[in-house]
Amino acid sequence: EIVMTQSPLSLTVTPGEPASISCRSSQSLLFSNGHTYLDWYLQRPGQSPQLLIYLGSSRASGVPDRFSGSGSGTEYTLKISRVEAEDVGVYYCMQAVQNPLTFGGGTKVEI
Amino acid sequence: QLQLEESGPGLVKPSETLSLTCTVSGDSGSTNFHYWVWMRQSPEKGLEWIGSIDYRGTTYYNPSLKSRVTISKDTSKHQFSLRLTSVTAADTAVYYCARRDLLTSPIWGQGTLVTVSS
Repeated sequence: EIVMTQSPLSLTVTPGEPASISCRSSQSLLFSNGHTYLDWYLQRPGQSPQLLIYLGSSRASGVPDRFSGSGSGTEYTLKISRVEAEDVGVYYCMQAVQNPLTFGGGTKVEI
Repeated sequence: QLQLEESGPGLVKPSETLSLTCTVSGDSGSTNFHYWVWMRQSPEKGLEWIGSIDYRGTTYYNPSLKSRVTISKDTSKHQFSLRLTSVTAADTAVYYCARRDLLTSPIWGQGTLVTVSS
């Protein structure tokens, strides 16, 4: 099983300032087809997880361009260029390169 | 636009079987190497993958649940289903269905809360 480790556990941010969350996997998330199977999700309070990034760096439909994903191998980063109040919640990374699919423990972002 | 919606009882008694259905709407009908996923989330365990079924009908289960889980699909009804037997309070969670494939954006349902209690 691939273990996903996120850091930090929590993050207090200032509106307008950048923020960054890291996700480390115990094995490479690069598949034989050349794609990286790493998703990022935001779960706002009382809501279901919302997809932000898939394939490591592809922004999901409707996601603001202030969100970006990067990384390779076993190290990945989600960056928010300018945090807005609506960005509060818990962020999760998830790997889908190998069963069982596994999630990071989450990073709680507060303003 | 593709949408997935979970449905089923919100309350299940201990030792009984949890059964959920995920209905897919807005799909072109193309199988396109999709695979259909069940996950759950609880305060105790966080987000957990339960299992998947692919376009060929091959199933993959979380080893921790494998002895109690069955995932099936009915392509003609645009549905896929989850059965989890011998439930306990530890199976209380919000259950999510999702569609994944190798190239396009994953799509999740909104989730349904299932409580195990007598």
